[in-house]
Amino acid sequence: QSALTQPRSVSGSPGQSVTISCTGTSSDVGGYNYVSWYQQHPGKAPKLMIYDVSKRPSGVPDRFSGSKSGNTASLTISGLQAEDEADYYCCSYAGSYSDVVFGGGTKLTVL
Amino acid sequence: EVQLVESGGGLVKPGGSLRLSCAASGFTFSSYSMNWVRQAPGKGLEWVSSISSSSSYIYYADSVKGRFTISRDNAKNSLYLQMNSLRAEDTAVYYCARDRDQLQFDYWGQGTLVTVSS
Repeated sequence: QSALTQPRSVSGSPGQSVTISCTGTSSDVGGYNYVSWYQQHPGKAPKLMIYDVSKRPSGVPDRFSGSKSGNTASLTISGLQAEDEADYYCCSYAGSYSDVVFGGGTKLTVL
Repeated sequence: EVQLVESGGGLVKPGGSLRLSCAASGFTFSSYSMNWVRQAPGKGLEWVSSISSSSSYIYYADSVKGRFTISRDNAKNSLYLQMNSLRAEDTAVYYCARDRDQLQFDYWGQGTLVTVSS
């Protein structure tokens, strides 16, 4: 399995919206509705932000939303805040429990 | 409150062995599949291994198959990773992570650093 493709970096000003894309294939992102997104601050453990493509765990602000079209999933963060500055990783189930693939990560900078 | 606490990391020479542990609390450990996910310094996340709730199903990434062994003790609420024949490329922070469904990880430990170097 090849890694999912994410932009290396994105940026936005406070209050703006940004979207991070995650491109895979019909064998992973396009084939299953099990795409998840993780936020990771420097030196910290990843935190689940989105699961099942578009669902938010309890406690995650509704500024975070997920979607999918074909083989590309997207994470949109609206009303950017300084604390949103972090690395973001997408992840997709790919048909079996030995087939899970992460994206390479996207560094979000809040200007 | 769900807590996952890893331990057992450290410096080991190439070819050596190490056993990682993950102590779980705050949830019914025996009801969840558990995983190890690693992150090499400055790199992205890589899934390593998964074990089902009753240990009936075990899976490994190709990069560690035959060298690493995942196990769990539901009576002790603990997850383990036995790592043998370690290589420099195994150097990483190792996280234990709970699987909410289909390899979507809803809780993570703080990680334990494994450094393989002579």
